[in-house]
Amino acid sequence: DVKVTQSSRYLVKRTGEKVFLECVQDMDHENMFWYRQDPGLGLRLIYFSYDVKMKEKGDIPEGYSVSREKKERFSLILESASTNQTSMYLCASSLEGDENTEAFFGQGTRLTVV
Amino acid sequence: TQLLEQSPQFLSIQEGENLTVYCNSSSVFSSLQWYRQEPGEGPVLLVTVVTGGEVKKLKRLTFQFGDARKDSSLHITAAQPGDTGLYLCAGHNFGNEKLTFGTGTRLTIIP
Repeated sequence: DVKVTQSSRYLVKRTGEKVFLECVQDMDHENMFWYRQDPGLGLRLIYFSYDVKMKEKGDIPEGYSVSREKKERFSLILESASTNQTSMYLCASSLEGDENTEAFFGQGTRLTVV
Repeated sequence: TQLLEQSPQFLSIQEGENLTVYCNSSSVFSSLQWYRQEPGEGPVLLVTVVTGGEVKKLKRLTFQFGDARKDSSLHITAAQPGDTGLYLCAGHNFGNEKLTFGTGTRLTIIP
């Protein structure tokens, strides 16, 4: 079974803190993604990576950065957390490929910034 | 940025009823996927449709891709409580590794 594991289910952080969200996949997928999920807005892409040390901005990268030093691990970093970053964060991975490529998701991290 | 709008946003119906959920865009996609997300979990892929006009069936679920590849629908026959969840459509363009997700439909089936 493909497994995408996010390091925390729930996190509570203070405004201004630096926050790290970690994601690990065990299927040797080239692509990894970070989304945030808010009611009525669906999933919005923050950043994605198609190879080690490679990254591309998604639709809402402001306030976030990412790191991919190893193929299996993709980290999302909030340099200085703000209350408007309170959200559900979902990590996903997929094989490089065609239009049938499936995205596999982690269970999500619910981040609250107070 | 390509957008996918889903309707309705919320739907609550009795067990045994039929329903249809829509996913619409002004943009053309190479393929369209449907995912279901249950509480506390990440989305899981249900189906991928690739050809304009394509219809795929998954037990009581019927998925259709519009002829122009800009829209899709999901029809559920005789809904059951196990169908409860958040349904998300996602569009994909050939040569682009990213998926564009829809706004989601939260479905509740009342026993």
